[in-house]
Amino acid sequence: SQTIHQWPATLVQPVGSPLSLECTVEGTSNPNLYWYRQAAGRGLQLLFYSVGIGQISSEVPQNLSASRPQDRQFILSSKKLLLSDSGFYLCAWSVGLASYNEQFFGPGTRLTVL
Amino acid sequence: GNSVTQMEGPVTLSEEAFLTINCTYTATGYPSLFWYVQYPGEGLQLLLKATKADDKGSNKGFEATYRKETTSFHLEKGSVQVSDSAVYFCALSDEQGAQKLVFGQGTRLTINP
Repeated sequence: SQTIHQWPATLVQPVGSPLSLECTVEGTSNPNLYWYRQAAGRGLQLLFYSVGIGQISSEVPQNLSASRPQDRQFILSSKKLLLSDSGFYLCAWSVGLASYNEQFFGPGTRLTVL
Repeated sequence: GNSVTQMEGPVTLSEEAFLTINCTYTATGYPSLFWYVQYPGEGLQLLLKATKADDKGSNKGFEATYRKETTSFHLEKGSVQVSDSAVYFCALSDEQGAQKLVFGQGTRLTINP
């Protein structure tokens, strides 16, 4: 069966420090991969998605970047964190490109920038 | 651009009460519509979906009907249980390309015994 892992589960980082969040998927090949963020009091916002290795699409301008070095690995990074980067980060995967296909979410990482 | 507006929470009900969580959307074309749920301590998971106008999605006693004329996808359940306590997210996916979900802000539901 398919599973999705995210780590770490929680993270507290100072402003200006770097960030690396990792997401891996097991049990499927060539998935679409997504990074979402939920800021306090707001809904989930799509940050990046990828339909293949090395293919990254950014949905909103920001201080973050994403990479997909392997088929089932998706990494969210920042060189210098801002206070506004605090939030709950969710990775998700899906297969195929039909708009009605289900996405499967990881457990999330809660990031606090101080 | 596309957007989803959900009924603001939190919502607190007694067990066996009728539930409605309102959701309206703005989109070009014909999006697919979803309700995702996040139970305490768990990840987000799909509750139900509808892919075209007048479709009804249903699961675990919950229902929602894709109403194009009112651009709505309200979630309903006839008799809620304590185990339904969770955060509910309405979302849409544009018909083009990868499933880029646009979410509402979420509604926290608490059911008291």
